[in-house]
Amino acid sequence: AQKITQTQPGMFVQEKEAVTLDCTYDTSDQSYGLFWYKQPSSGEMIFLIYQGSYDEQNATEGRYSLNFQKARKSANLVISASQLGDSAMYFCAMREVLNTGFQKLVFGTGTRLLVSP
Amino acid sequence: DAGVIQSPRHEVTEMGQEVTLRCKPISGHNSLFWYRQTMMRGLELLIYFNNNVPIDDSGMPEDRFSAKMPNASFSTLKIQPSEPRDSAVYFCASSLATGVIYEQYFGPGTRLTVT
Repeated sequence: AQKITQTQPGMFVQEKEAVTLDCTYDTSDQSYGLFWYKQPSSGEMIFLIYQGSYDEQNATEGRYSLNFQKARKSANLVISASQLGDSAMYFCAMREVLNTGFQKLVFGTGTRLLVSP
Repeated sequence: DAGVIQSPRHEVTEMGQEVTLRCKPISGHNSLFWYRQTMMRGLELLIYFNNNVPIDDSGMPEDRFSAKMPNASFSTLKIQPSEPRDSAVYFCASSLATGVIYEQYFGPGTRLTVT
């Protein structure tokens, strides 16, 4: 079974600074996908960014980038120029393909990011 | 475009009562997922459907929980009878199973409190 590990329960960063949220994964599949979701205090889960295992370049979406190190099995989220609105819970997830051929996401336990003025 | 719609947003009920949570997935999506989120257990997948058919219900905690998807635009999660330990936020998410990325889009959640 696939597994996602987020070892940082909480992170603090000052506004305008960059921050890296760690995510490591464990899988024996050759083809897989990694996702990051943001959950602000309002509760909704927001899809941020995706990285496919065969993508040669690190994914970027605005201020979000994914530092994908395949050999280390890590997919860290980098947020540049942090804003107060970035304060939220962040979840790393991996796409798991079942024996039936169907797919589902496996989520990590999350990292709470607090951005201070 | 409308996202995933869930109702009610908040539900407070007494132990023993039946609770029904509703979800309307994004139009065109053919996979639907029900999750439960608590502080203790994090985000748990309860059940998911593909083309209205339940594919994996191994996360459903016990027989008190049941889920249906009678058509492509509607799903329900029912708890009968409800217990205080069922208090949680329940999310519905949908996805396009044939998509390349297969990202899931979540609804706003239903916060359930069982007293």
